[in-house]
Amino acid sequence: DAGITQSPRYKITETGRQVTLMCHQTWSHSYMFWYRQDLGHGLRLIYYSAAADITDKGEVPDGYVVSRSKTENFPLTLESATRSQTSVYFCASSESKGYSGYTFGSGTRLTVV
Amino acid sequence: RKEVEQDPGPFNVPEGATVAFNCTYSNSASQSFFWYRQDCRKEPKLLMSVYSSGNEDGRFTAQLNRASQYISLLIRDSKLSDSATYLCVVNIPTGNQFYFGTGTSLTVIP
Repeated sequence: DAGITQSPRYKITETGRQVTLMCHQTWSHSYMFWYRQDLGHGLRLIYYSAAADITDKGEVPDGYVVSRSKTENFPLTLESATRSQTSVYFCASSESKGYSGYTFGSGTRLTVV
Repeated sequence: RKEVEQDPGPFNVPEGATVAFNCTYSNSASQSFFWYRQDCRKEPKLLMSVYSSGNEDGRFTAQLNRASQYISLLIRDSKLSDSATYLCVVNIPTGNQFYFGTGTSLTVIP
């Protein structure tokens, strides 16, 4: 199916564990993004990628790692999860760096206990 | 000061009413503006871009006021299906990033 998909939809993990959130898009959009959404903060950019093997930090990158070996995939890894990383994570893609708007995946609800 | 600020609401309006939301931004050099809609526990979806001269899409009108640094969204003839959270998005030229407001909650009441 065409679009942008995230997995898993829900994840509960323990403090200190490594967890990877997956994002896959079928449009061949150059740009991909990871946002987190928390009450009172809105959506905040974690990392983005302009193309395969090109990534850059956003507003809140600490504690996260990304990679983009293929245009269609942009996984987000929490190296050692903390409770403050409990959030809803959205992946998005865009033809441009957001100037034509984003298309978001359906999100991953991550709880760190 | 936040880059983008919105009144969180909630706005509760009857069906058929006209409602308007504002969103202020702090960087006078911002050039690109959008409104997104987010339903409860769903992903944000692009509603419309905001152009300098203002623009309409059916019952929705978006406007930009550069002098006062705000954008607005006007919804006419509100429908129950318009109930959602509306997010404004502004690009910040420094770092070339987009910032999201925290959203304004709208509930349309029968």
